[in-house]
Amino acid sequence: QQQVKQSPQSLIVQKGGISIINCAYENTAFDYFPWYQQFPGKGPALLIAIRPDVSEKKEGRFTISFNKSAKQFSLHIMDSQPGDSATYFCAAGGTSGSRLTFGEGTQLTVNP
Amino acid sequence: DAGITQSPRHKVTETGTPVTLRCHQTENHRYMYWYRQDPGHGLRLIHYSYGVKDTDKGEVSDGYSVSRSKTEDFLLTLESATSSQTSVYFCATQPGPNQPQHFGDGTRLSIL
Repeated sequence: QQQVKQSPQSLIVQKGGISIINCAYENTAFDYFPWYQQFPGKGPALLIAIRPDVSEKKEGRFTISFNKSAKQFSLHIMDSQPGDSATYFCAAGGTSGSRLTFGEGTQLTVNP
Repeated sequence: DAGITQSPRHKVTETGTPVTLRCHQTENHRYMYWYRQDPGHGLRLIHYSYGVKDTDKGEVSDGYSVSRSKTEDFLLTLESATSSQTSVYFCATQPGPNQPQHFGDGTRLSIL
């Protein structure tokens, strides 16, 4: 049972553009929503995370928007760069951040 | 990242053979996890551990067992490997509750 749905599966953006990846979850007990970035041959690395007490969190060019009533959250990458080309995973978990449930992943390509 | 070493990094084996993957961490993190990554499924939790000799099943635990006799080592065993267990396996560690998970660089396992 896939409790976190991620879209799109792949995304191509021009350099300087905005990349947007969306996730929807089902389990209302989820209380922690991280995004991970993964490069080929490497493990996922935490990019940014949000808890549902805020609707938006920004770190540099990366922003998470969170809509608790819709059970949706999204990652926005501003001024996308070729170095951002990677696979991005959303995830959801309990308050402790353990036992994460991951989305299917989005392969982002930023063209120069 | 977080001093996580997975071994082996690559392995090819035959159906029916036992396989053990090792995750070693040097950060004294309390929590450890095993995930598998497959196209279209993101990462799925196999087993996890909240401390020495304290392990539990994740969402895809059938056919897998784990052991944690020391804080730094978390072993994943496939008792009798099947082709459906061909995957990339990632170990993750977490210092404790409300802390982010850190991932190793994975083991690519092929079962012929």
